Amino acid sequence: GQSLEQPSEVTAVEGAIVQINCTYQTSGFYGLSWYQQHDGGAPTFLSYNALDGLEETGRFSSFLSRSDSYGYLLLQELQMKDSASYFCAVEGGFKTIFGAGTRLFVKA
Amino acid sequence: DSGVTQTPKHLITATGQRVTLRCSPRSGDLSVYWYQQSLDQGLQFLIQYYNGEERAKGNILERFSAQQFPDLHSELNLSSLELGDSALYFCASSGRREANEKLFFGSGTQLSVL
Repeated sequence: GQSLEQPSEVTAVEGAIVQINCTYQTSGFYGLSWYQQHDGGAPTFLSYNALDGLEETGRFSSFLSRSDSYGYLLLQELQMKDSASYFCAVEGGFKTIFGAGTRLFVKA
Repeated sequence: DSGVTQTPKHLITATGQRVTLRCSPRSGDLSVYWYQQSLDQGLQFLIQYYNGEERAKGNILERFSAQQFPDLHSELNLSSLELGDSALYFCASSGRREANEKLFFGSGTQLSVL
């Protein structure tokens, strides 16, 4: 089966950097994705890692270590609009399984 | 706009009833996924179709069924509805049969069972 663990909540200050960790267990693995979901909205894709290392997309970066079954999402220069839920997701063949989500609160 | 269309946006019904949720994927996408999201919960994978064929099943109840039609739109049928079925149901689409790095989500159907 597949399972993912990520913190339920993170709070940070505007302008700061925050890291959201994700550990996973899966029988098949193609890659780790990250999605953002604002309250009442649909999840939107942020980043994807298939290989070990860091992927950077603007203020967001994502890291993967396949040997450790671990990844993280790094958000820099936090803005109020970054307050949302962030989900890691494992692509394990035909299924894309999501973690329970991390709710990020950005304070002024 | 993701290009994925879900209808209806809201659905209110009673216990024991049956409803059908509809999803049109992005133009050109052959894979359709269905997810259930209960209040303050993660996205629970229900089922995936690729080009009309069922490819993967998650924790989908026997009261639920889905299909993907030749024009690639998909329908999720929920029957004998219970209060606990109240949730936001998302459809997502992608281009490949497997190893899809990016899913495009519709805006969801909010189902309320009273």
